[in-house]
Amino acid sequence: DQQVKQNSPSLSVQEGRISILNCDYTNSMFDYFLWYKKYPAEGPTFLISISSIKDKNEDGRFTVFLNKSAKHLSLHIVPSQPGDSAVYFCAATSGSARQLTFGSGTQLTVLP
Amino acid sequence: DAGVIQSPRHEVTEMGQEVTLRCKPISGHDYLFWYRQTMMRGLELLIYFNNNVPIDDSGMPEDRFSAKMPNASFSTLKIQPSEPRDSAVYFCASREGQGRAGQFFGPGTRLTVL
Repeated sequence: DQQVKQNSPSLSVQEGRISILNCDYTNSMFDYFLWYKKYPAEGPTFLISISSIKDKNEDGRFTVFLNKSAKHLSLHIVPSQPGDSAVYFCAATSGSARQLTFGSGTQLTVLP
Repeated sequence: DAGVIQSPRHEVTEMGQEVTLRCKPISGHDYLFWYRQTMMRGLELLIYFNNNVPIDDSGMPEDRFSAKMPNASFSTLKIQPSEPRDSAVYFCASREGQGRAGQFFGPGTRLTVL
């Protein structure tokens, strides 16, 4: 039973345009969400996070939006750059738990 | 400052052999996690430690898998005997206990069991 779902395995975007990556979750106990980026042959690297008490968090070109009622979050990248091409993982955690539950990932390709 | 270090980066072995994967967490981090990434199951948590003590090993698939953390700077994940379905990329990650900051991942070990 997947508690964190990324339904789009891949996304292609033109350089300079906005990339929107989506993530849905089912466990209402999740109260903290993270996005990781992964390049081939490397481990995932932390990108941005958001607490459930917020609905938006911004860091440079990256913004994460959280819609608790819909159990949905999204990552916006504006403007997209070719170096952003990677697999993006959504992850969630709850309470004092230290473990992360990951989605299956979305391969983003930014075309020059 | 070195990140999480894993060795070996690649391991090819034959079915039935013992495999040992190694991890050195970031100094000062008191949580250590072992993950496995496969096409079928994605990135899944196998086990995690706090202050060298295993806290949750519910993700360990079978008794063939075992993990240890003898001290704060070293952990091993052992598979004995290995099977072809164990082929995957194994990641180690660490984090500092306070706050909700993300975990820091190592580069992974790509295991192939023939």
